[in-house]
Amino acid sequence: GESVGLHLPTLSVQEGDNSIINCAYSNSASDYFIWYKQESGKGPQFIIDIRSNMDKRQGQRVTVLLNKTVKHLSLQIAATQPGDSAVYFCAENRAAGANSKLTFGKGITLSVRP
Amino acid sequence: EPEVTQTPSHQVTQMGQEVILRCVPISNHLYFYWYRQILGQKVEFLVSFYNNEISEKSEIFDDQFSVERPDGSNFTLKIRSTKLEDSAMYFCASLRGTTINEKLFFGSGTQLSVL
Repeated sequence: GESVGLHLPTLSVQEGDNSIINCAYSNSASDYFIWYKQESGKGPQFIIDIRSNMDKRQGQRVTVLLNKTVKHLSLQIAATQPGDSAVYFCAENRAAGANSKLTFGKGITLSVRP
Repeated sequence: EPEVTQTPSHQVTQMGQEVILRCVPISNHLYFYWYRQILGQKVEFLVSFYNNEISEKSEIFDDQFSVERPDGSNFTLKIRSTKLEDSAMYFCASLRGTTINEKLFFGSGTQLSVL
């Protein structure tokens, strides 16, 4: 079946280091991918997205890489800060508008050590 | 930044009771969604809603579930006869338009506990 999943359940990094969170997807027809951050007691918050016609996209301190050959997505956070501690989800959106629905991966907890 | 608002933040109910979870999507958004997250698990799609009707629903969204947009601002999820396994965090989300790469905005969720 189709799935979007994350490799590791937890990641602990030292403050100031770079973090890399990985995600695999199984549907080669997937067109659009998003990373969400979920802090305790809050809903998922959009971080960054990437279309399948791109292999890299950069935001503020974050970079998303897409490798369609191996169906792999990663989120890189530069100079990780305590405020980055959260659960991170990759998600896939297969359609636009009214049919838009997200398929989420399981989530990975990022813990930043001071 | 505009927000999706959900009430209540926590809801405790007895098994078999009806619950209504309420959401106020962002005012100029046209597409509305409910997702749920069982503790420790991934966020799961329940239903999407556009132009006053359901666009798509998952297999989770059975006959016990219904959605409604009773007025111009609220979007509700009703569970008619709650089961223990309905205990989860329920997220409302909204989307403004039709392009695939528009942001989906989530509310902070309602934690439903069925006893």
